[in-house]
Amino acid sequence: GDSVTQMEGPVTLSEEAFLTINCTYTATGYPSLFWYVQYPGEGLQLLLKATKADDKGSNKGFEATYRKETTSFHLEKGSVQVSDSAVYFCALSEAGGGNKLTFGTGTQLKVEL
Amino acid sequence: EAEVAQSPRYKITEKSQAVAFWCDPISGHATLYWYRQILGQGPELLVQFQDESVVDDSQLPKDRFSAERLKGVDSTLKIQPAELGDSAMYLCASSFGSGLGRETQYFGPGTRLLVL
Repeated sequence: GDSVTQMEGPVTLSEEAFLTINCTYTATGYPSLFWYVQYPGEGLQLLLKATKADDKGSNKGFEATYRKETTSFHLEKGSVQVSDSAVYFCALSEAGGGNKLTFGTGTQLKVEL
Repeated sequence: EAEVAQSPRYKITEKSQAVAFWCDPISGHATLYWYRQILGQGPELLVQFQDESVVDDSQLPKDRFSAERLKGVDSTLKIQPAELGDSAMYLCASSFGSGLGRETQYFGPGTRLLVL
């Protein structure tokens, strides 16, 4: 079945550091890929998405590129802020799969001054 | 900006009691989802509705969980009887539909359940 693997956290960075959170996936078809962010005590917010190979999703300085050849969708940001501290979830939805989201286990990011 | 509403935000109950959670999706969204998120894990789909019909409840523990969306708008998820292992965050999400371009899911703030 479909699955998503994320790097384990917590990831601790200093403000203005470069961020990479790795995400790889297994799917039988051509899924859409998503990054969601969850701030403490809140629900999930869509951060960015990509629906086909080589698409780049971007939002609020975060970027991720859909790499079909490596089945990856790594999240990057050039300069993190304290306010980026949250849990980040990589997810996929399989084409023809009824739009069900399959999530990774999440990666906690802590940004310190 | 339109949001998915959920209530209550927090619920503490004793095992063997009944609990119910309510969700009001974004207006115009035909598809509604209930997910369960155990602490430290990603959400897992429990049930998906298209309008008032269930399209996927394969992971719903049907001996104790039930879900309905009678008029194709708001939805209720019920657990009876609650067990200790049901302690989790219950998230509701909605989307316009399930086809490409309509599939983005928007999540509510969740209901955190603690079963004692």
